[in-house]
Amino acid sequence: DGGITQSPKYLFRKEGQNVTLSCEQNLNHDAMYWYRQDPGQGLRLIYYSQIVNDFQKGDIAEGYSVSREKKESFPLTVTSAQKNPTAFYLCASRRLPAGPNNEQFFGPGTRLTVL
Amino acid sequence: GQNIDQPTEMTATEGAIVQINCTYQTSGFNGLFWYQQHAGEAPTFLSYNVLDGLEEKGRFSSFLSRSKGYSYLLLKELQMKDSASYLCAVRDLGNQGGKLIFGQGTELSVKP
Repeated sequence: DGGITQSPKYLFRKEGQNVTLSCEQNLNHDAMYWYRQDPGQGLRLIYYSQIVNDFQKGDIAEGYSVSREKKESFPLTVTSAQKNPTAFYLCASRRLPAGPNNEQFFGPGTRLTVL
Repeated sequence: GQNIDQPTEMTATEGAIVQINCTYQTSGFNGLFWYQQHAGEAPTFLSYNVLDGLEEKGRFSSFLSRSKGYSYLLLKELQMKDSASYLCAVRDLGNQGGKLIFGQGTELSVKP
């Protein structure tokens, strides 16, 4: 079955540690996105990538890093520089170029808690 | 600036009809999306509007007025499983990969 997978579902991190969240898709989508969701707030864009080996900062990129070495994979690293990392992290992908009804498909999410 | 507003919470009765409103102010516009999100799960796509008017899909319909910066999601014959958060999102123009700007979401509770 085609889809987007994220792992792990739950992740606990000690302060000062870097941690990497996995996102894999087999939909042959060109663009991939990372969002952060906090209670009572909408999804906020962290990073996105439209092509392999290229990515751009979103609205809240500070304290995060990404890589796009393969079309299928877009891992997100939450570094110790991110001051408030506890949140629900969602990965999404979609086909390019943009066209009518070209929606983003979301993965199941990773809930990160800093202890 | 970019701003999308929707009510924080709504309550409705099973079998009834509910309308969730969304107003937006964005620098560009390339379509409006509605997503449904159950607690702790991924958002799932419900509807897409890029032209003015009503799009109907089963029990769900979505309306758009670009001149008013306004959309609504209409849910008919409500079921208990419709209890979820409903996210309004606008696709901006420009070069940010078709970036979606999300509202905070409307938490809908369906009561028996």
